[in-house]
Parts: sequence; C-alpha cells; structure tokens
Amino acid sequence: QSVLTQPPSASGTPGQRVTISCSGSSSNIGSHTVNWYQKLPGTAPKLLMYSNNQRPSGVPDRFSASKSGTSASLAISGLQSEDEADYYCAAWDDSLNGPVFGGGTKLTVL
Amino acid sequence: QVQLVESGGGVVQPGRSLRLSCAASGFTFSSHAMHWVRQGPGKGLEWVAVISYNGNSKYYADSVKGRFTISRDNSKNTLYLQMNNLTPDDTSVYYCASEGIVGGHIYFDYWGQGTLVTVSS
Repeated sequence: QSVLTQPPSASGTPGQRVTISCSGSSSNIGSHTVNWYQKLPGTAPKLLMYSNNQRPSGVPDRFSASKSGTSASLAISGLQSEDEADYYCAAWDDSLNGPVFGGGTKLTVL
Repeated sequence: QVQLVESGGGVVQPGRSLRLSCAASGFTFSSHAMHWVRQGPGKGLEWVAVISYNGNSKYYADSVKGRFTISRDNSKNTLYLQMNNLTPDDTSVYYCASEGIVGGHIYFDYWGQGTLVTVSS
C-alpha cells in the first residue's frame, strides 16, 4: 500500500490529452513539492517534473503538472505512442521522514 | 553525460548479505546527496536510504533500518549499500539516484539502470 494514491491505469489515443492524479496528505503533498517520474519498461526511472510544475531540460512541453492542497496531477497533451510508460508521483513525507511514492499509473496509448 | 551504474546484485539465500555498488560519472559526485530506491516485482518504487554529500548523515526507511548500511567513497565516485540479514521481501531491483534540490525540496534527478537482488532459498 503506497503512501500516495494514484490510479493503477490510464489510457488515451494518439493526440489526446490525459491526466494522472496523485493524492496524499498534509504530511507529504500538503507540505512539500511533488515530483513525477516516467519509467519505460526495462529502463531506469526518469525525472519528468519537479517542484510541482518544473520541467527538466529535454522534457517536451506536452508534459505539465500542478498541485493543489494535498493532491497533484500530471497532464500529457498530444499523446504519443512513446509516452506509454509507468508514471510515479513522489513527495517528501514528514511523518516517515523520507520520500514517498505513489503506486504508479500504467499509461496505455491505444 | 551523467552515468550511474549499479552492480553487485544476484541471488542470495535468506539471512545472508550482499553489497551493492553504484559508480558515478559525468557530474561532481562529492557535491550531491545520493539515494537508493528499490522496486519489488509487480510493485511500485520504494525509497530505501540516503547519504549526504560528505557521508556524515544517513537515513533509512523503517523496512531496512538496522539491516542495511549506506556509504560512499568520494575518492572513487562510488556509492554502496551493504545489505545484511536479507529476507524474501527485499527481492527488488535496486536503483541508485542522485539528489537535486530546489528551495529545500528534493527530487531524484538521475537514476542508474538498476541491479536485481533476489532473496530465495
């Protein structure tokens, strides 16, 4: 059981916009910034978004993220087949005194 | 470019030990805190441990506290994870990750490709 809650799956067709939610509590998302990671099958996780809504260099602007209260969301517009991956949200947790992750959302591009 | 390369994984019996290594290159290793994160089969990501840039501070997840020890050798640009008294629940792919920080909030900016640890009799 992950500390942060994500839907296990999401899907969309090429060109569509999809969003992935991440729900936490006052001890994590409510007090700290949220980061998002993309994990393609058989590869290392990759930083996708940090500090709630900042894109690292090289991440397309099709990816965006936001945070409100104890929840966050990742949006992918102009969906492409290469976006098919697992997406994880993460934040520091004051109660556990360490970073915590969501259970991951498997995105399927139909 | 930044590279993190883990090694040392394998199959080990319950109760035995294993030491993982993570060789870093392409960035100033000695300036960054480093983490270990693991992913069990069919499971999500789980943070394991962190060590400060100079090795003076170390923190662990409750699930590994007292059994795992994180360390680093900045002269060799290498991070380590000594894992003792392993149990089947420790079966995972173990990733090392470098820490980025903005406004006091951390994130994992680079990850290794992972090394598989299987604990089984």
